[in-house]
Amino acid sequence: NAGVTQTPKFRVLKTGQSMTLLCAQDMNHEYMYWYRQDPGMGLRLIHYSVGEGTTAKGEVPDGYNVSRLKKQNFLLGLESAAPSQTSVYFCAAGTGYEQYFGPGTRLTVT
Amino acid sequence: RKEVEQDPGPFNVPEGATVAFNCTYSNSASQSFFWYRQDCRKEPKLLMSVYSSGNEDGRFTAQLNRASQYISLLIRDSKLSDSATYLCVVKGTNAGKSTFGDGTTLTVKP
Repeated sequence: NAGVTQTPKFRVLKTGQSMTLLCAQDMNHEYMYWYRQDPGMGLRLIHYSVGEGTTAKGEVPDGYNVSRLKKQNFLLGLESAAPSQTSVYFCAAGTGYEQYFGPGTRLTVT
Repeated sequence: RKEVEQDPGPFNVPEGATVAFNCTYSNSASQSFFWYRQDCRKEPKLLMSVYSSGNEDGRFTAQLNRASQYISLLIRDSKLSDSATYLCVVKGTNAGKSTFGDGTTLTVKP
């Protein structure tokens, strides 16, 4: 089993461009999460989902949108990228208690 | 005050040493507690859950003190491979959401 996978692994965007990050899990977990991690800092929750078709805001949701049309996928969208969104993005899936993370997407916005 | 606070370190210890990390949390209604390990430029991985009675997994011991609102992680007989950042995670009453500490960095030296 692959666990949690993320696509792409790396991306460079220009300010104002849009993109979608894909997270997929094969563990059949109800809960999925998107975090960002900036250098020397902890994980900050962007959005999360408690099941297929549901989404909720986390700690830092501004500038991001999400969708969970299928249980195994959780998409994170940036409509108009800004340099402040340069970060490492981690997706996780879990039981509502433990969480299992994907390998991350390194995004640079110039 | 942050919801979850950790001493960022770094902790530099020789191989074979015993080292302990503490983590304090502010929400007395918090329900579940975990320690994650994150290697440099990698995703966080679940190290162990923390139970009220305390729990041990090999060289690692986790304890919870609800009265003082802190959890601890003790590593005995440190190995070079224990070098990583250790993240304290606290789950509140909100379904699925957890709060991550900023992490404590451990370097084990020969």
